[in-house]
Amino acid sequence: DGGITQSPKYLFRKEGQNVTLSCEQNLNHDAMYWYRQDPGQGLRLIYYSQIVNDFQKGDIAEGYSVSREKKESFPLTVTSAQKNPTAFYLCATLNYRGLLTEAFFGQGTRLTVV
Amino acid sequence: QQQVKQSPQSLIVQKGGISIINCAYENTAFDYFPWYQQFPGKGPALLIAIRPDVSEKKEGRFTISFNKSAKQFSLHIMDSQPGDSATYFCAARRRGSTLGRLYFGRGTQLTVWP
Repeated sequence: DGGITQSPKYLFRKEGQNVTLSCEQNLNHDAMYWYRQDPGQGLRLIYYSQIVNDFQKGDIAEGYSVSREKKESFPLTVTSAQKNPTAFYLCATLNYRGLLTEAFFGQGTRLTVV
Repeated sequence: QQQVKQSPQSLIVQKGGISIINCAYENTAFDYFPWYQQFPGKGPALLIAIRPDVSEKKEGRFTISFNKSAKQFSLHIMDSQPGDSATYFCAARRRGSTLGRLYFGRGTQLTVWP
């Protein structure tokens, strides 16, 4: 099955802890993205990577960090510096097919601070 | 600053009715406009997309209308069904941006009453 696997599906974090969300893809797409989704806020871009060992900050990168050591993997770390981390996190790849661009999303990770 | 403005935030339609969701943009460098559909607890998935060289694209009950001069585009869902109840996102991509980002609207939560 080709696709994007995010794990875990649910994650609980204590205040002051760092947590890492996993994103793995077997679509062989170069570009990978992390979005945060809050009610009424839409999809806000955290970080994205167009190639291995390179990544760029999105609109709300503060308190987050990423790495891209392999094409298939783009983990997101939510650090203790992120003041309001409770949200639904979505990982995506982007596939450019000529005139079209299609984003493929994982099933998401719901992070809750307890 | 929201690059793509979407309205309404929520929409309730009776079964068999027409659902209309609108989006507007300012950046004339946008050249590709997809719509994504998201069911609760899932990641968004591409529904339908349009390029600005056409004014309308239809796929089954879903139609995108595009007004280049007004910099607006809309999604029409004909004969709306309860199974269409989901969150819908419009998006845009900048010309020349192959693996670059998509800019998403804030989403519209559609509820279709049986």
